[in-house]
Amino acid sequence: EPEVTQTPSHQVTQMGQEVILRCVPISNHLYFYWYRQILGQKVEFLVSFYNNEISEKSEIFDDQFSVERPDGSNFTLKIRSTKLEDSAMYFCASSGGLAGRQVPYEQYFGPGTRLTVT
Amino acid sequence: KQEVTQIPAALSVPEGENLVLNCSFTDSAIYNLQWFRQDPGKGLTSLLLIQSSQREQTSGRLNASLDKSSGRSTLYIAASQPGDSATYLCAVRRGYAGNMLTFGGGTRLMVKP
Repeated sequence: EPEVTQTPSHQVTQMGQEVILRCVPISNHLYFYWYRQILGQKVEFLVSFYNNEISEKSEIFDDQFSVERPDGSNFTLKIRSTKLEDSAMYFCASSGGLAGRQVPYEQYFGPGTRLTVT
Repeated sequence: KQEVTQIPAALSVPEGENLVLNCSFTDSAIYNLQWFRQDPGKGLTSLLLIQSSQREQTSGRLNASLDKSSGRSTLYIAASQPGDSATYLCAVRRGYAGNMLTFGGGTRLMVKP
């Protein structure tokens, strides 16, 4: 069964460093997302991406964050100048859809990357 | 702003019991609602998706219902098993343009053998 994959599973970085989290969405999906879950808290939406551009972002997704689809399979989240409070589990998700339409397809999540900022 | 609440936060039941998990949301203008399962330290597994026009959805021993007007959904698990032990999350997608999901805090379920 197709699945969303994420690498690395765990990333440790020092405060102020840049990190790139990588995701391979399900191959025929058109919508891609990043969410995060701080330990003990709710899963929070960061950003959605469609047709090579950001379609929606939350207040959390400020200039420190950026996303990119560098090729036909990968979807990345870059965090510049990491802070202690960026420590969280970061989930990538994807969903299907027909180009140009909002469709109620399920979002499928990857296993997550645990980011620890020290 | 949409708020999603799940009660109870934790639940412990003996194996074989039928149980109901609750989810409520403040803005009834939703497009759909998804139930997920999360195992400790793991990702989210989608269990069921209910469209706003639907009243319920079934998959195996799971049945999810939706009452959009009252802002409530329930996940019914029949004949619970120890393997059902996990955290169950509900998430709603808002009704106008946008795909973001707003999550509840989850119900941590323990099924004891």
